[in-house]
Amino acid sequence: KNEVEQSPQNLTAQEGEFITINCSYSVGISALHWLQQHPGGGIVSLFMLSSGKKKHGRLIATINIQEKHSSLHITASHPRDSAVYICAVFDTDKLIFGTGTRLQVFP
Amino acid sequence: GAVVSQHPSWVICKSGTSVKIECRSLDFQATTMFWYRQFPKQSLMLMATSNEGSKATYEQGVEKDKFLINHASLTLSTLTVTSAHPEDSSFYICSASKPATYEQYFGPGTRLTVT
Repeated sequence: KNEVEQSPQNLTAQEGEFITINCSYSVGISALHWLQQHPGGGIVSLFMLSSGKKKHGRLIATINIQEKHSSLHITASHPRDSAVYICAVFDTDKLIFGTGTRLQVFP
Repeated sequence: GAVVSQHPSWVICKSGTSVKIECRSLDFQATTMFWYRQFPKQSLMLMATSNEGSKATYEQGVEKDKFLINHASLTLSTLTVTSAHPEDSSFYICSASKPATYEQYFGPGTRLTVT
């Protein structure tokens, strides 16, 4: 069993739909990252959180420390949101990555 | 700010040659830098962690003599792939963190192709 699991692995949506990506982890963590990787390969850090909820534009990230679970929500999805979304948890001194969720948003 | 750059963005080299990849933090001092590699459709794999002025800590299974890491200053770390082979072809990504924080800022990556 992976230490960081994401679901779903692949996700397709129509423009405008509300999207949720889930991340569950089994290790004790100091913080959790949500990352976005576009087809070109570059990685952008969307959020880092250790409790509660953060919002940036159409993106919302939540974390429940007791349940060891985090979610990334995208409201009013757009084709430019198409990317791989990666959950990564900071354990002791390094990041442990989930396998990613490939999102495609169609117009 | 918190921008990390990598150079080159892509490189093609012949088997047996060495390739150096640079990772720079442009607007902050990075006490720790991380080097990752990523194969197609797979997640990032940590290769090594480097702290300025000290030797890098390599993950299990990563050959330190093959992947030489130097973190000479608070804004620059380099990864040298020595005697490159086709199986070293991959996407190499660095990240940097500020002192006493968990957040990592990622570079745009370097695609290495060894022919």
